[in-house]
Amino acid sequence: ILNVEQSPQSLHVQEGDSTNFTCSFPSSNFYALHWYRWETAKSPEALFVMTLNGDEKKKGRISATLNTKEGYSYLYIKGSQPEDSATYLCAFVTTSGTYKYIFGTGTRLKVLA
Amino acid sequence: NAGVTQTPKFRVLKTGQSMTLLCAQDMNHEYMYWYRQDPGMGLRLIHYSVGEGTTAKGEVPDGYNVSRLKKQNFLLGLESAAPSQTSVYFCASSYSRNTDTQYFGPGTRLTVL
Repeated sequence: ILNVEQSPQSLHVQEGDSTNFTCSFPSSNFYALHWYRWETAKSPEALFVMTLNGDEKKKGRISATLNTKEGYSYLYIKGSQPEDSATYLCAFVTTSGTYKYIFGTGTRLKVLA
Repeated sequence: NAGVTQTPKFRVLKTGQSMTLLCAQDMNHEYMYWYRQDPGMGLRLIHYSVGEGTTAKGEVPDGYNVSRLKKQNFLLGLESAAPSQTSVYFCASSYSRNTDTQYFGPGTRLTVL
């Protein structure tokens, strides 16, 4: 069983705070790692896809890093705003088996105004 | 472009009834997926398709059947609904399999009494 874990499960931050969360995945048979943003009552929307160890991606105030050797990715949000409130999902894609695209359970972020 | 659409948005069934969920995409994507999302769990893959006329089992296929008769449509069928199938169902599509972003539909909330 391949485990993709995200931590923390949820957090509350004040507007203006910077925050980060973690996605942990198996360090072997890595193919790609995706981050999605999922607002309540909507569907997941893609943020980043990363494929190489050491990859860093940035979109506005949100950035992500990837360490495939140790099996983790960090998502950072600088200067959180209430509109950043959402669940952030990571999905690990593995080369083993016929098809493995495994979602984590997400980190639920609430930014308080 | 409508992206990925799902019908219906909500449905209540009685145990033993059957229904079909329809997913349609207008992005000419080869790959389509059906997921279920339950509280405290990540998105779990039910079935997927790598092209018109093909289907394959995902992580939790029991109790579901699928068909991909047309490239743009992916149908999920429940032949005899059970309360354990109460969930939110998401359809997604992608151009290729592993590194491409998955685009999600708005979800179907199904309750089985």
